[in-house]
Amino acid sequence: QQQVRQSPQSLTVWEGETAILNCSYEDSTFNYFPWYQQFPGEGPALLISIRSVSDKKEDGRFTIFFNKREKKLSLHITDSQPGDSATYFCAASGGSSGNKLIFGIGTLLSVKP
Amino acid sequence: DPKIIQKPKYLVAVTGSEKILICEQYLGHNAMYWYRQSAKKPLEFMFSYSYQKLMDNQTASSRFQPQSSKKNHLDLQITALKPDDSATYFCASSQGTGVNTGQLYFGEGSKLTVL
Repeated sequence: QQQVRQSPQSLTVWEGETAILNCSYEDSTFNYFPWYQQFPGEGPALLISIRSVSDKKEDGRFTIFFNKREKKLSLHITDSQPGDSATYFCAASGGSSGNKLIFGIGTLLSVKP
Repeated sequence: DPKIIQKPKYLVAVTGSEKILICEQYLGHNAMYWYRQSAKKPLEFMFSYSYQKLMDNQTASSRFQPQSSKKNHLDLQITALKPDDSATYFCASSQGTGVNTGQLYFGEGSKLTVL
C-alpha cells in the first residue's frame, strides 16, 4: 500500500516552461511534507518543504501548493532550467509515521534546452 | 566535501555472503538513518538511531543489523545476502531526533549488487 503517491512518473518540459509535479497522501495525520531532489549518482537533497498549517510555500522558482482537505500537494518549478533535470521525491511524516519519512516513487523531470 | 561518507560506493556480492556498509557523518547530528532504494520502488525507511540507540526498525529481516560504535557512525551489516537485497543503500542524518524538526541529509549511497 503506497502511502505517498506521485504523478507523473516522468515529465519533459522545455526550458523556460513551468513543470508541475503532483503528490497525494493517504494518512491524514501527516503534517510535514518535504520535497527532495536527486541527481544521478547522488543522494537525495532537500529542496523545499511545507507544514500542514500552510497552503503555500515559495522559494525562488520552486513553490509548493498544499490542499489539506484533498490530501494533495504539488511542486511548481517555474522558468525550468536544464540543470533542474533530476528525480523529485515527495515525502511525508508526522502522526502515525513518527520520525520516519515516507517517500513517493519519484518523478523524473527532464528539461530540454 | 561530503559531510556524510558512505563506503563502499559500489559493491558486488555473491548470494549467501555477508557485507558491511559503512557510514560516518560529520554534521554533528544526533540521529542517523538507513534507507534503501530499489528499482521501481520508493525510498524505503529501514532504521533510525539516536545517540547510538535504536529508535525505529522497519526491516522485517534480522539479516539486516545496524551497528553504531560512535555517535557519528552507523554501519549496516547484511548477512546471508539474496539477489533481492540488490539496491542502493542510503545513510542519512538529522539534527533533531524527529524528522519533523529538520531536514534529512543523505549520503551518496552504496550500490549493492547480489549475484
